[in-house]
Amino acid sequence: QVQLVQSGAEVKKPGASVKIACKASGYSFTYYAIHWVRQAPGQRLEWMGWISADNGNTKYSQKFQGRVTITRDTPARTAYMELSSLRSEDTAVYYCARVLYSLSFDPWGQGTLVTVSS
Amino acid sequence: QSALTQPASVSGSLGQSITISCTGTSSDVGSYDLVSWYQQHPGKAPKLIIYEVNKRPSGVSNRFSGSKSDNTASLTISGLQAEDEADYSCCSYTGSSTPYVFGPGTKVTVL
Repeated sequence: QVQLVQSGAEVKKPGASVKIACKASGYSFTYYAIHWVRQAPGQRLEWMGWISADNGNTKYSQKFQGRVTITRDTPARTAYMELSSLRSEDTAVYYCARVLYSLSFDPWGQGTLVTVSS
Repeated sequence: QSALTQPASVSGSLGQSITISCTGTSSDVGSYDLVSWYQQHPGKAPKLIIYEVNKRPSGVSNRFSGSKSDNTASLTISGLQAEDEADYSCCSYTGSSTPYVFGPGTKVTVL
């Protein structure tokens, strides 16, 4: 079945960077874009950016521009999201999701909790 | 980019129907038939239950239905069941530099 499996939880200090992996299976990896969405505790989902798994083109939310980098490794069927200059407000669960032609997110990865604390 | 608004909570008895609203603007919900809805149980990832305003993915119960009028989209859950107790978030495509906006989520309680 179509599945996205993310790397495990991370604890980082303020100012550090975190890189999360999202491994896809069950479909043709290069046919769909992978998006990243985060959810801080008690907050709404927040779109961060996306990458074309085909050509590697990316687009980022202005809020994260300059701090976020999304890449992919096509042979490994894996997308990555790196967020730098972490601060406490970046504590959240980070999700990857495949985007369909209907521009909806399906499926989602299981989520990766990133805790930023000194 | 404005965010979408939803009621914080909605409740209903087993077997009843409930409706959750999702209000945006003419720049997002009102401009595109690209509203989707996600069900999220505590500690779990969101699950797509409605896309393109009123379409259901394969495997999603037909008790879930969606609609839209002007700048407001709605999700209706009919024949409420215990397993429907979850958070429901709407999402709209915006066509702007931030292409997706989400609602804050609505907690559904089954009485």
